[in-house]
Amino acid sequence: GESVGLHLPTLSVQEGDNSIINCAYSNSASDYFIWYKQESGKGPQFIIDIRSNMDKRQGQRVTVLLNKTVKHLSLQIAATQPGDSAVYFCAEGPISGGGADGLTFGKGTHLIIQP
Amino acid sequence: SQTIHQWPATLVQPVGSPLSLECTVEGTSNPNLYWYRQAAGRGLQLLFYSVGIGQISSEVPQNLSASRPQDRQFILSSKKLLLSDSGFYLCAWSSWGGTEAFFGQGTRLTVV
Repeated sequence: GESVGLHLPTLSVQEGDNSIINCAYSNSASDYFIWYKQESGKGPQFIIDIRSNMDKRQGQRVTVLLNKTVKHLSLQIAATQPGDSAVYFCAEGPISGGGADGLTFGKGTHLIIQP
Repeated sequence: SQTIHQWPATLVQPVGSPLSLECTVEGTSNPNLYWYRQAAGRGLQLLFYSVGIGQISSEVPQNLSASRPQDRQFILSSKKLLLSDSGFYLCAWSSWGGTEAFFGQGTRLTVV
């Protein structure tokens, strides 16, 4: 079946460096993608989303890139800070207003910030 | 602004005991509501979703049930817990017609 996954389960970066977290998806019909951040023991927080008619979207210190040709999604975090330590996971689904029940979630990448 | 409340944060229950987890949403009307389970090292698994009062859709066969007695209240229940019911349970909402899910803080359930 269709699935969403992550390339790396753990990513360790130095404080102040940029981080890139990757996500591969296999459902070519998906046209909406979300990145979530989940701190230990807490619920996921919405970070940024992107629609399939875009290939880049920027937020505050974060950028999401979408490559539909290879079905790849990435989250770039600029100048990582200790507070960025968390598990990051992607989700993909239809934009057609069907609700979040259409979302498929990846397993997550644990981002560790080294001092 | 919209907020979602989920409680309790942690719960330890004996096998065979009942369960009731509650979730409420504020600041929005007629939300879609969801219950997910998150196992360690695995993605979120959708358990139930609801598009309105009394309307529940179940995604997987299981020992749990859900109810929506009010527009912004969603309850996850079990009559008799199993060891395999242990996990991290998340409530979420989305706007009517929206796709992104907004999550509560989660409940860590340990069945002993």
